[in-house]
Amino acid sequence: KAGVTQTPRYLIKTRGQQVTLSCSPISGHRSVSWYQQTPGQGLQFLFEYFSETQRNKGNFPGRFSGRQFSNSRSEMNVSTLELGDSALYLCASSPGQGTTNEKLFFGSGTQLSVL
Amino acid sequence: GQNIDQPTEMTATEGAIVQINCTYQTSGFNGLFWYQQHAGEAPTFLSYNVLDGLEEKGRFSSFLSRSKGYSYLLLKELQMKDSASYLCAVSRGSTLGRLYFGRGTQLTVWP
Repeated sequence: KAGVTQTPRYLIKTRGQQVTLSCSPISGHRSVSWYQQTPGQGLQFLFEYFSETQRNKGNFPGRFSGRQFSNSRSEMNVSTLELGDSALYLCASSPGQGTTNEKLFFGSGTQLSVL
Repeated sequence: GQNIDQPTEMTATEGAIVQINCTYQTSGFNGLFWYQQHAGEAPTFLSYNVLDGLEEKGRFSSFLSRSKGYSYLLLKELQMKDSASYLCAVSRGSTLGRLYFGRGTQLTVWP
């Protein structure tokens, strides 16, 4: 079984631009969540989707948005990029209902650099 | 909010035993996860504790005390490949699909 796939692996953008990151979960997994990882803050939760519905959202500004498609693939979009958005963006999937005892399977992330 | 604390860095030598502590303060606590993350790679699942006590899995063990808001990850017979960041994460009953992570403990194993 293929793991969680995130594309692209690296991305360089300039301030004010927008970016779309893609995540393909493990086949059969229906819950997909996104995290931002920075050296100072660790992993910060962005949002989680299950069956195309956003169930949870973290404390990020509205510039951060996401969606999930019927095949469980997910995208996240960041508009009007700021220097502080430079981070590793991790996607994770889980096999069932996304319940509290399910372990997450992470992708290798997209390293975003904003210049 | 959730407070999850773990040491920033630890060092140890090959063959030794190291204990990485994690303390948490959160409402609606459900369970505690440990993940390992090598530099430039995806975090990978190590253990999950929901009941008090010790869970042993090979060289790695994890302990939980719900009443004290405390967990530790014990790594025995350390190897160089164990050099990585170890992430403590809490799940809450009220928030499906979301984990609350500590900032991670960077473990360096010296020969």
